[in-house]
Amino acid sequence: NAGVMQNPRHLVRRRGQEARLRCSPMKGHSHVYWYRQLPEEGLKFMVYLQKENIIDESGMPKERFSAEFPKEGPSILRIQQVVRGDSAAYFCASSGQDNLNTEAFFGQGTRLTVV
Amino acid sequence: DAKTTQPPSMDCAEGRAANLPCNHSTISGNEYVYWYRQIHSQGPQYIIHGLKNNETNEMASLIITEDRKSSTLILPHATLRDTAVYYCIVRTSYDKVIFGPGTSLSVIP
Repeated sequence: NAGVMQNPRHLVRRRGQEARLRCSPMKGHSHVYWYRQLPEEGLKFMVYLQKENIIDESGMPKERFSAEFPKEGPSILRIQQVVRGDSAAYFCASSGQDNLNTEAFFGQGTRLTVV
Repeated sequence: DAKTTQPPSMDCAEGRAANLPCNHSTISGNEYVYWYRQIHSQGPQYIIHGLKNNETNEMASLIITEDRKSSTLILPHATLRDTAVYYCIVRTSYDKVIFGPGTSLSVIP
């Protein structure tokens, strides 16, 4: 049973380009969470999605960032017109149920570098 | 999520038990205590969780006090590979897991 898969593992973008980060949850999981970790900082919640729905996006920057989790395929975190401050590790997690007694499992992250 | 308090750093000798404390005095009756760790800059790794009973799995044991205001994560025989940042989290909602600064555990040869 494969874990949470994120790709690419490393992504380099020039300022102004778009970054698309993909997350395939564990088999059978329909809940996805995205986190950002800036260099030398902690993990910050960005957004929580269920299939085809954004449930909680309280941690998403208001501009340039968007997320989706379509009925088929991986969840996508999209960053438009990237700036150097977007350089960070982006982690995705998935869980199978929406209750407090269900652990979330994390992927190995995508390291975005904006040059 | 309910606030948790952890020491910023701890050392443990290799082969000894590592006991990581966590205070969560504002925890409510239906809130679970979760532990994760992050080794270097890898993705966070789930360790264990519990509500009020002590829990044990292949990685660790979780001891929750009777009043549920604090807990201790125990790594029974720490190895160098257990050096990581350990996060104690109280989940109050299923829509997110909120990470604090955690405890940086250094296992020393």
